[in-house]
Amino acid sequence: GAVVSQHPSWVICKSGTSVKIECRSLDFQATTMFWYRQFPKQSLMLMATSNEGSKATYEQGVEKDKFLINHASLTLSTLTVTSAHPEDSSFYICSARGGDSFYEQYFGPGTRLTVT
Amino acid sequence: SQKIEQNSEALNIQEGKTATLTCNYTNYSPAYLQWYRQDPGRGPVFLLLIRENEKEKRKERLKVTFDTTLKQSLFHITASQPADSATYLCALLTDNAGNMLTFGGGTRLMVKP
Repeated sequence: GAVVSQHPSWVICKSGTSVKIECRSLDFQATTMFWYRQFPKQSLMLMATSNEGSKATYEQGVEKDKFLINHASLTLSTLTVTSAHPEDSSFYICSARGGDSFYEQYFGPGTRLTVT
Repeated sequence: SQKIEQNSEALNIQEGKTATLTCNYTNYSPAYLQWYRQDPGRGPVFLLLIRENEKEKRKERLKVTFDTTLKQSLFHITASQPADSATYLCALLTDNAGNMLTFGGGTRLMVKP
């Protein structure tokens, strides 16, 4: 149980285009979903927290107009990187909380974004 | 703000030995501390959660300790196997609502056969 999927697993896009990443909780309802970014050999950095049906809460330094988050249902959250630039290239990971334990977060497999 | 420190150098040990990884934090003691495993190119996988009033937690070959006086958690893997090779991350809840997890930089463990 407590499986989280992400799609796509990797994507290459041209500078200036937008990319949408999906995060789904497959076997539980996720009341809260989180989006992280991880650069090579660095730890995960929380970008934003979203609760179903509410606006996402962004961490300091994260541009909400650039990283659009939608959490329309209890099993789906999307992150759209708008007008992507090479510096946005990173590993994006979502996690979901819901399951049996309030404090456990279940992570997706991640999406590797490369902007050329 | 809370700072979490893990040894950034890789830990190399021989198969069968016990691996011990350290997580130190600098500020207030969190209500919970968690350990995750991350393989290259993959998302973290939850391993163990320990509460501030628990000194020790075990799960199969894994053992976690939590010392709020030292502001430190130790993560042990006994009878280590090459399949245990991965990066291990400790994470602390850093807000009262229990929302925000702050991760340490992780320690890469290499178990040699």
